[in-house]
Amino acid sequence: AQSVTQPDIHITVSEGASLELRCNYSYGATPYLFWYVQSPGQGLQLLLKYFSGDTLVQGIKGFEAEFKRSQSSFNLRKPSVHWSDAAEYFCAVVPPNDYKLSFGAGTTVTVRA
Amino acid sequence: KAGVTQTPRYLIKTRGQQVTLSCSPISGHRSVSWYQQTPGQGLQFLFEYFSETQRNKGNFPGRFSGRQFSNSRSEMNVSTLELGDSALYLCASTSGGSGNTIYFGEGSWLTVV
Repeated sequence: AQSVTQPDIHITVSEGASLELRCNYSYGATPYLFWYVQSPGQGLQLLLKYFSGDTLVQGIKGFEAEFKRSQSSFNLRKPSVHWSDAAEYFCAVVPPNDYKLSFGAGTTVTVRA
Repeated sequence: KAGVTQTPRYLIKTRGQQVTLSCSPISGHRSVSWYQQTPGQGLQFLFEYFSETQRNKGNFPGRFSGRQFSNSRSEMNVSTLELGDSALYLCASTSGGSGNTIYFGEGSWLTVV
């Protein structure tokens, strides 16, 4: 079955430490890949996307993600976390020739001082 | 350029009532989609419209309906509200082709009492 998996429900990280959020997908063909962030009470903000080309994608707020076809993964990283990065992060995919996003369950990031 | 605009932002309805939510896409975007977000089910796709035609529909009962106008603005309607319909309803827009970036609004918070 087609699916998007975010294995980590909750991650706590110290301010200034690095962050990596995992995302795996299960689709026949490589889908279009997205990471969104949601702050409490807010909508979804696009961090970055991967359609094709360079497998390391740079996004906003200092985030980057790496697409690994062999592992069906699209992990999100940030070298140094700020307190304002505390939020929920969603990995999402759109299969080729489709128009709807399928989301992972989300990972909540807590930043401690 | 203005983002995706949703109205109202917050509303409270009584079981059995109906509700209409509105979404204005980013200027030039012809595709509008709707998602429901709940703590238990996460983010789920409701439907997607392109040039006033529904192209995709999620697995929701017929009480959930939508439409798109010639100016690309969209509305969704939920009839005979149930307590379980309490959720954040998110609207997203894109230019229309598969694989294009999808942008979200701030959402409409619906509480059914």
